[in-house]
Formats: sequence, C-alpha cells, structure tokens
Amino acid sequence: NAGVTQTPKFQVLKTGQSMTLQCAQDMNHNSMYWYRQDPGMGLRLIYYSASEGTTDKGEVPNGYNVSRLNKREFSLRLESAAPSQTSVYFCASKGNRSGNTIYFGEGSWLTVV
Amino acid sequence: AQKVTQAQTEISVVEKEDVTLDCVYETRDTTYYLFWYKQPPSGELVFLIRRNSFDEQNEISGRYSWNFQKSTSSFNFTITASQVVDSAVYFCALSGVHGSSNTGKLIFGQGTTLQVKP
Repeated sequence: NAGVTQTPKFQVLKTGQSMTLQCAQDMNHNSMYWYRQDPGMGLRLIYYSASEGTTDKGEVPNGYNVSRLNKREFSLRLESAAPSQTSVYFCASKGNRSGNTIYFGEGSWLTVV
Repeated sequence: AQKVTQAQTEISVVEKEDVTLDCVYETRDTTYYLFWYKQPPSGELVFLIRRNSFDEQNEISGRYSWNFQKSTSSFNFTITASQVVDSAVYFCALSGVHGSSNTGKLIFGQGTTLQVKP
C-alpha cells in the first residue's frame, strides 16, 4: 500500500551542491506535482506534470528542474542549491478525472547551509 | 486568479471545546473543488474531504463537519468536542477542473495551526 513514495526523507546540502529528489507513485495516476512548504506560506507548487512526457512550471519554479521519467516517476532537481531552497518538499499525484483527490508523499526535509 | 485565505494563523482550545477553522476562496471558475487536509506533527498530509462546487450540502463525519457556502465563497471546518489528537496544521485548498489551465492542481491556503490542550 505504498501510494506516493519520495526519497530522501532528510538531506543537508552545502550551497552550490546539486541533488535530485525522487518520487514514484503506484496508483497509475497521470498527474504528478512537486510542492514546497515554508512556514506561514502553505504549500506552493513548483512544477507539475499533467501526463507522461509533459511538464509545466508552477508558482515557484526558479532554481528547479523536473523530469517525468515515466508514468510512475517524477523527479525534482536542484542544480545549484541555495539557502532559500531550505524547505520541506512534497511530491503528489492525482488521477485523470476532475475532482480526483491529490495524494501526497511523506515529505522530504531539505536544508541548504 | 485563484486564491485561498485562511485568516486564522493559530488557534488554541481546551479539549472538548468546539472549534471552527475558516476558509475563504476566490476563483473565476464555475466548477471547482475544495479540499481540507490535515498535517499532524509527524509531517504527512492527510486528506480529509473533497467538495464539488455544485454540491453545497453540508457534510458530517464523526466529530468533523464542513459548511460550504457558495454565496460567501467559504468552506469552513468544525471540529466538535476537540481532542488532543486533533492538534495539527489544517490546510484548505482549491482545485479547478482537469483539462483547464488549472490542470487540477491544488492552490493552498496558508494553513491554520490548531493546538488542543488537555
């Protein structure tokens, strides 16, 4: 009963380092999303993928890249990490019908020092 | 533009009190969906409820109830007889229709932190 699985759960990076957050879902969902959560700001959409092979920018895409490797996997890459990217990152997925519930992974706590 | 506002940043109540979390939204869509999620201290996001904009019927699930009023663009959440385990951050969210420019993605409010004291 995995649902949405994201790794790693915790990561500390130095400024300028790169890393990739991995996300996979086993619900055969078409849409996948990456959000970041910061205190007092709720969750903000970084990038999303409405279907395999497509990706689009969300509200806060700067400093990030994404790859929709296949229907199951949607990765988020920080090419040159900055302290402003210290956040909790959530991957999510949703079926293709309007109103389908979006299911979230357990979150990845990233600290950039 | 779509927007969700949760004006209450933090609420503190004593166990067994009733508490209402407010949510006000803005959208130009005629069809949309509203959600509430709970984020306990462990950090995961737990889905609580989804409402279709065409369905203004209030819903009750155990101690939880939701009041959807399209006329005031509000979707408030009430916990009756609160318990310590209800302590969490609660998020209200809005989603458009899949296939539109919204592509079904969620727009979140800032969240309300609820502390229930024993």
